Amino acid sequence: EAQVTQNPRYLITVTGKKLTVTCSQNMNHEYMSWYRQDPGLGLRQIYYSMNVEVTDKGDVPEGYKVSRKEKRNFPLILESPSPNQTSLYFCASSRTGPGLVEKLFFGSGTQLSVL
Amino acid sequence: RKEVEQDPGPFNVPEGATVAFNCTYSNSASQSFFWYRQDCRKEPKLLMSVYSSGNEDGRFTAQLNRASQYISLLIRDSKLSDSATYLCVVPPNTGNQFYFGTGTSLTVIP
Repeated sequence: EAQVTQNPRYLITVTGKKLTVTCSQNMNHEYMSWYRQDPGLGLRQIYYSMNVEVTDKGDVPEGYKVSRKEKRNFPLILESPSPNQTSLYFCASSRTGPGLVEKLFFGSGTQLSVL
Repeated sequence: RKEVEQDPGPFNVPEGATVAFNCTYSNSASQSFFWYRQDCRKEPKLLMSVYSSGNEDGRFTAQLNRASQYISLLIRDSKLSDSATYLCVVPPNTGNQFYFGTGTSLTVIP
């Protein structure tokens, strides 16, 4: 089954404790991206990647890191989480990135709480 | 001006009603558009794609008005199961960002 797998679904941590949220897709998509969703603000892009070893900042990259060593995986790393990073996070992928017909496939989301 | 704007609602409609949402976009060169449906705290799922003047799928119709730069989503004969948030998504022609509206909340009431 074609899908984007994101783990964990829920994560509670404390300020400053490094964490990683994993994202993997089995559709051979070049484009992958991370979003956070907060009430009233909608989905905001954190980072995206057009292909292996190519990553770029989105609208809200501060406090986050990503890597794209393999085409299928795009982990989101919070080196020193802070309470303002408490949010609902989504990973998404697309065949070739923004274009005429490419839609986004989303992972099931990670609800992160930083205490 | 935001890239994509939606009326957040909420829209509360009775079962069987027809409801329409609008989404305005700022980039006049945008060629394709998507409507996604998102249930509470779940991932967005593609509802409809719009590439030309519009698209229809059962009770759902999406229309594009390029002159006024908006797309609309029309839901006929609303069902309780249509209750969700509807996101308007605009992929740009250049650059690498998909732009999302903040979503329109719909509740269908028995």
